[in-house]
Amino acid sequence: NAGVTQTPKFQVLKTGQSMTLQCAQDMNHNSMYWYRQDPGMGLRLIYYSASEGTTDKGEVPNGYNVSRLNKREFSLRLESAAPSQTSVYFCASRLDRAVYGYTFGSGTRLTVV
Amino acid sequence: ILNVEQSPQSLHVQEGDSTNFTCSFPSSNFYALHWYRWETAKSPEALFVMTLNGDEKKKGRISATLNTKEGYSYLYIKGSQPEDSATYLCALSGTYKYIFGTGTRLKVLA
Repeated sequence: NAGVTQTPKFQVLKTGQSMTLQCAQDMNHNSMYWYRQDPGMGLRLIYYSASEGTTDKGEVPNGYNVSRLNKREFSLRLESAAPSQTSVYFCASRLDRAVYGYTFGSGTRLTVV
Repeated sequence: ILNVEQSPQSLHVQEGDSTNFTCSFPSSNFYALHWYRWETAKSPEALFVMTLNGDEKKKGRISATLNTKEGYSYLYIKGSQPEDSATYLCALSGTYKYIFGTGTRLKVLA
């Protein structure tokens, strides 16, 4: 099925550990995004990539790195996880015009202890 | 920094009631306004996109209107059902970036 595939669905990390969240889309979208969702905060943009080979910071980039490996894949890396990064992470993609909506992945629930 | 405000934050309605909620945004820098439906433990799903002042969209019992001059959009649900329980997000979009509101959490009581 066409869409955005995000892995893993759940993860528990110890403080200081690192991990990479994977995201892939097969809709030929140029733009890809990583959001985090926290209670009462809505969706906050971490990083986005407007096209293969480019990445830009969003609202809350500190503590994260991203890689746009190719047009399909956009990964999010936590180099040294902190409890403040406990959240639900969503990857999304869309076409590059304002009228187009996002297609979201199913989310990753990350807990840092 | 653009701010997208949604109200109320949450509401409970009885099955069969009609309800509506508001998304407010700066009337300048407008490109498109999106509504999403977000069920618990799932990912947001697109409902509507509107671009023109006066736009109205409808999908079944759910409809939305847009006023870009005064900077607001309304989402209406007619005859609410328990399966309508979800968070309804609006978002203001440009070419690459969205600004999301914090959502209205709707609970429909059977």
